Amino acid sequence: DIQMTQSPSSLSASVGDRVTITCRASQGIYNSLAWYQHKPGKAPKLLLYAASKLESGVPSRFSGSGSGTDYTLTISSLQPEDFATYYCQQYYTIVWTFGQGTKVEIK
Amino acid sequence: EVQLLESGGGLVQPGGSLRLSCAASGFTFSSYAMGWVRQAPGKGLEWVSALSASGSDTFYADSVKGRFTISRDNSKNTLYLQMNSLRAEDTAVYYCAKRYTNYWYFDLWGRGTLVTVSS
Repeated sequence: DIQMTQSPSSLSASVGDRVTITCRASQGIYNSLAWYQHKPGKAPKLLLYAASKLESGVPSRFSGSGSGTDYTLTISSLQPEDFATYYCQQYYTIVWTFGQGTKVEIK
Repeated sequence: EVQLLESGGGLVQPGGSLRLSCAASGFTFSSYAMGWVRQAPGKGLEWVSALSASGSDTFYADSVKGRFTISRDNSKNTLYLQMNSLRAEDTAVYYCAKRYTNYWYFDLWGRGTLVTVSS
């Protein structure tokens, strides 16, 4: 199975900050990567797919990049509603795997 | 409204069984593959099982293979997960999720149902 390693596992940031989360796959996944936002008690929400394509309705302050094994989620200007846990997921192979999550907390 | 609503969670003893349901609305359920993803307490997301739109193809994580069975009733717009031989490590919130049309990421999720396996 492909292992997905996210970093950091948590971070503290202020409203307006630029935030970057990385996700590394144990082998190349050819941009077959999605990012999700998850708030406690809520349904996870798809943010990006194909590493850099923004899901409809998701604010443009979210962006994704990367290739091969290394991928990045960037929030250009953190908003109060963005405090949540973020997960990457590879869908290159069956046995779809998630990163362990990055919790974004208020500083 | 486009939504998924899980039900059927609860407290069950080790070795017991439980069947989860996921009611879909607001989209053509029979056209989409579906899956189950779980989150154990304090842990991240873990894919559990998936099923093609027709129900003919099923997929399971090694951790549940042989114990869990995924199925669907397209006439009722409902996805199921039959869980047998439950273990303490199956304790989690179970989410139902809709696959995007052509790729195995999930563009719609439910809010989850809690399964607790304990004596």
